[in-house]
Amino acid sequence: QKEVEQNSGPLSVPEGAIASLNCTYSDRGSQSFFWYRQYSGKSPELIMSIYSNGDKEDGRFTAQLNKASQYVSLLIRDSQPSDSATYLCAVFSGGYNKLIFGAGTRLAVHP
Amino acid sequence: DTGVSQDPRHKITKRGQNVTFRCDPISEHNRLYWYRQTLGQGPEFLTYFQNEAQLEKSRLLSDRFSAERPKGSFSTLEIQRTEQGDSAMYLCASSLESGRTGELFFGEGSRLTVL
Repeated sequence: QKEVEQNSGPLSVPEGAIASLNCTYSDRGSQSFFWYRQYSGKSPELIMSIYSNGDKEDGRFTAQLNKASQYVSLLIRDSQPSDSATYLCAVFSGGYNKLIFGAGTRLAVHP
Repeated sequence: DTGVSQDPRHKITKRGQNVTFRCDPISEHNRLYWYRQTLGQGPEFLTYFQNEAQLEKSRLLSDRFSAERPKGSFSTLEIQRTEQGDSAMYLCASSLESGRTGELFFGEGSRLTVL
């Protein structure tokens, strides 16, 4: 079992729709959860962090965390073509003392 | 530019040669990380420094790989006797110790091609 799992996609959504990206993790002791966005040929950039159960909203982005289910999600409202990128879920594993990334979900927003 | 900088951005080498990458983190950041990323995969953790101390090293990192951060500022990653399987993007990232663990700032990466 991979430590952080994501559906590789591509996830294709029309402009203006809500994009829903999901992630599961295996280490129950994980405390910190992140979403990074990576455009093709570029390096990852942090877009959301979440540390407690529930929802966290920042502009068009909402991160959701359910520690009991070991599940993290990212919702992107009013998706724009500029949101087309790979979204990486990352989990800080206290047991391993490092940030572990999933393989990423490729999102394509079409006009 | 006060971001994380990496050099060189691209390196093409022949199998068996040694290569070295350099990373200059954001100046006030005392944590520095090296990751490797191949096409279609997420970044894979290699090693982590807090100041000059190397605190964590991946079990996947063979003895051909070595990293240093001699004065707690810039870091180097050396790969000896390169193999074709070493071809990847090598990413450096930094963060603040006082910041939320996991909030990393990445450099643009050093792409290695081993022929």
